[in-house]
Amino acid sequence: NAGVMQNPRHLVRRRGQEARLRCSPMKGHSHVYWYRQLPEEGLKFMVYLQKENIIDESGMPKERFSAEFPKEGPSILRIQQVVRGDSAAYFCASSDPIRAFFGQGTRLTVV
Amino acid sequence: KNEVEQSPQNLTAQEGEFITINCSYSVGISALHWLQQHPGGGIVSLFMLSSGKKKHGRLIATINIQEKHSSLHITASHPRDSAVYICAVGGNTDKLIFGTGTRLQVFP
Repeated sequence: NAGVMQNPRHLVRRRGQEARLRCSPMKGHSHVYWYRQLPEEGLKFMVYLQKENIIDESGMPKERFSAEFPKEGPSILRIQQVVRGDSAAYFCASSDPIRAFFGQGTRLTVV
Repeated sequence: KNEVEQSPQNLTAQEGEFITINCSYSVGISALHWLQQHPGGGIVSLFMLSSGKKKHGRLIATINIQEKHSSLHITASHPRDSAVYICAVGGNTDKLIFGTGTRLQVFP
């Protein structure tokens, strides 16, 4: 079991470009959570998805951010027209009754 | 006031010392997690607790549901324990609400 897989590990984008972050949950898990960790801040919830459904997107910024989890393939967190303030570590997670599982994160740097 | 408060924010210790990190929360929860994050690294789940106490190696986690408080203890601390320890509340299918973390440095 490869665990929660995220890619890329590091992503550099210029202001105005699009960033696509991918996450494959644990084998057997059909849900993912996306969390964002801004520099020197704690982790914050962004969105909770199950296959083909957004369950809770209360933590997503209203503009430029979107997420999907298609029937086939990884979950994608998309950030359009990135700005410097989007620079952060983005973590994906899933859980079972015993514990939570986190990916290694994608560190997005906007230059 | 944050829904999850951790103390202390920063902690330094000498190798071998007993360490305690505290977490208080103000929301109703079904479970509490203790997580470990190394610099530049990912996040590892140490414990998920809904009651009582759990032990894994030199780590012990306790929770008091009535007082909405949890503690993480590290016995015989070692420099490799240096990391940020994060308390988070939520449940099996709940989103997690995180504390701001406790930065631990253990010196040889």
